[in-house]
Amino acid sequence: AQSVTQLGSHVSVSEGALVLLRCNYSSSVPPYLFWYVQYPNQGLQLLLKYTTGATLVKGINGFEAEFKKSETSFHLTKPSAHMSDAAEYFCAVSDMNAGNMLTFGGGTRLMVKP
Amino acid sequence: NAGVTQTPKFQVLKTGQSMTLQCAQDMNHNSMYWYRQDPGMGLRLIYYSASEGTTDKGEVPNGYNVSRLNKREFSLRLESAAPSQTSVYFCASKEGGQGTYEQYFGPGTRLTVT
Repeated sequence: AQSVTQLGSHVSVSEGALVLLRCNYSSSVPPYLFWYVQYPNQGLQLLLKYTTGATLVKGINGFEAEFKKSETSFHLTKPSAHMSDAAEYFCAVSDMNAGNMLTFGGGTRLMVKP
Repeated sequence: NAGVTQTPKFQVLKTGQSMTLQCAQDMNHNSMYWYRQDPGMGLRLIYYSASEGTTDKGEVPNGYNVSRLNKREFSLRLESAAPSQTSVYFCASKEGGQGTYEQYFGPGTRLTVT
């Protein structure tokens, strides 16, 4: 069975500082990996995804993530936080051998201080 | 193009009451999903429908039933609501063809069972 662990349920950064949200996964087969963002009282929006190919993937709003197979990690970064980045972020893994169903991590709430 | 829509947005039920959550998508997607979101637990899959005419259980199906009414619509029914079903419910859809991966989410239904 696949699983996702997000380290830190809450992360606080200052505006302009580096954002690093951690995600580790377990999967018996090469995974497809996703980061979703949820703004207050809204649904989830895809930030970026890794399926195959280049291990550094770029998403919307200046975010990027790197797939590291040896570390089973898919951490999300952004060089400079903006107030509008305050939201909850979810890492998810999809197993193509399990009907491409998504398994989500517990989420990380990002707070950005002025 | 509305994407994924859900009704109602909010609902309060008494223990033992029943209700149906409605979901519709206008993207001609084959696969549809129902999740529940609880604090610290991310999203957990309740039921899914890989294609019109099929439904399967997810991680937490107990207390729920689903109907894939047609390609557009996928409803979730609570026959006898319990306080443990207080949650935010999200519907999602995915194209379902080879090479498609990401799910698109609706805005959610916030359900409280008293």
